[in-house]
Amino acid sequence: DVKVTQSSRYLVKRTGEKVFLECVQDMDHENMFWYRQDPGLGLRLIYFSYDVKMKEKGDIPEGYSVSREKKERFSLILESASTNQTSMYLCASTSYTPLQASMHTEAFFGQGTRLTVV
Amino acid sequence: KQEVTQIPAALSVPEGENLVLNCSFTDSAIYNLQWFRQDPGKGLTSLLLIQSSQREQTSGRLNASLDKSSGRSTLYIAASQPGDSATYLCAVSGHSNSGYALNFGKGTSLLVTP
Repeated sequence: DVKVTQSSRYLVKRTGEKVFLECVQDMDHENMFWYRQDPGLGLRLIYFSYDVKMKEKGDIPEGYSVSREKKERFSLILESASTNQTSMYLCASTSYTPLQASMHTEAFFGQGTRLTVV
Repeated sequence: KQEVTQIPAALSVPEGENLVLNCSFTDSAIYNLQWFRQDPGKGLTSLLLIQSSQREQTSGRLNASLDKSSGRSTLYIAASQPGDSATYLCAVSGHSNSGYALNFGKGTSLLVTP
């Protein structure tokens, strides 16, 4: 009954590496989101996407980029990994869109990727 | 900017007690409010979704209420069990600079002791 799948549970990368975190959802949702979660800071939005090839910055986009070439897949890219990007990364999806203002669906999350940058 | 606060930050109760977790938000112009559960090192599991037009939702031993005008929600857990031990997160969705993404509180860490 898996709905949102993140490619890795644990990753260890070196400083300066380019890192790809992959997220796939099987619910045909339009909206996808990337969050990071840190102790004491809670969940913070990095990037989101309403449609294929569309992306918008969240609250903390610096040092990250995203790609959405297919509706079901949303990738988070760390261009040059740094130790302050060590965190838990969470992907989510919903089927809420601006054109469907009366539709509000629950958000589904992946299992998370624990990234350590050394 | 929407601010979401959860009280208490941590709670320890003996098995069998009924308990209430609180969530407040600063901007009442929300579309919905969602309660999640998170086990250590895992992702988030949706528990209950309350639309802005609704007052409460129930699922098994869980009941969530929403008072949009006062910016408050409560999650009531009846007859708590050790398996309920987890972090509970409240999140609201509303139009903002970050689109329709969820804004989260920092969670309440619940421990239910046998």
